[in-house]
Amino acid sequence: EDQVTQSPEALRLQEGESSSLNCSYTVSGLRGLFWYRQDPGKGPEFLFTLYSAGEEKEKERLKATLTKKESFLHITAPKPEDSATYLCAVRGSGTYKYIFGTGTRLKVLA
Amino acid sequence: DSGVTQTPKHLITATGQRVTLRCSPRSGDLSVYWYQQSLDQGLQFLIQYYNGEERAKGNILERFSAQQFPDLHSELNLSSLELGDSALYFCASSPQGPDQPQHFGDGTRLSIL
Repeated sequence: EDQVTQSPEALRLQEGESSSLNCSYTVSGLRGLFWYRQDPGKGPEFLFTLYSAGEEKEKERLKATLTKKESFLHITAPKPEDSATYLCAVRGSGTYKYIFGTGTRLKVLA
Repeated sequence: DSGVTQTPKHLITATGQRVTLRCSPRSGDLSVYWYQQSLDQGLQFLIQYYNGEERAKGNILERFSAQQFPDLHSELNLSSLELGDSALYFCASSPQGPDQPQHFGDGTRLSIL
């Protein structure tokens, strides 16, 4: 069964303190791994899609990487406005649906 | 702004009632997806439509149904509501199929009293 596990559940960082969020997945034939950011009271906002092991994507202070078993979202020198819940989702072959993890709640303190 | 519009933003109703949630996808997007987000379970996929036709079903209860109209907007109908149906319901859309990223609306918060 396709499964996504995100860790840690919650993370508090000081402004400028870099860290990484983990997304471990089990899926039959990965067709895509997706990272989203969700602010309170809002819908998930698309960040990145990764398709194959070794792939990397960057956007401002965020960098996503992918291996055959997990993905990392690296946050470099975070700012308070990076505080949000970060969600990871996967889609396997033979299915149209995304499987979402339960997210990492990130709080960046000024 | 993702371009996906959901109405209403909030719904408060009683057990046993029926409600309809509406979603307008981004301009040009043919696929619409519905998700349920509750505190303890995260985002759960309910159903997908592509250009008016049902394409995939997830953990959607028999009391729930959906459809996509010729103008591509979609409605999610929830009937015989129970307290456990209280959740955030999100709609997402993508241009074609699920290989392309989904863009989400801001959801409808459903509260069952």
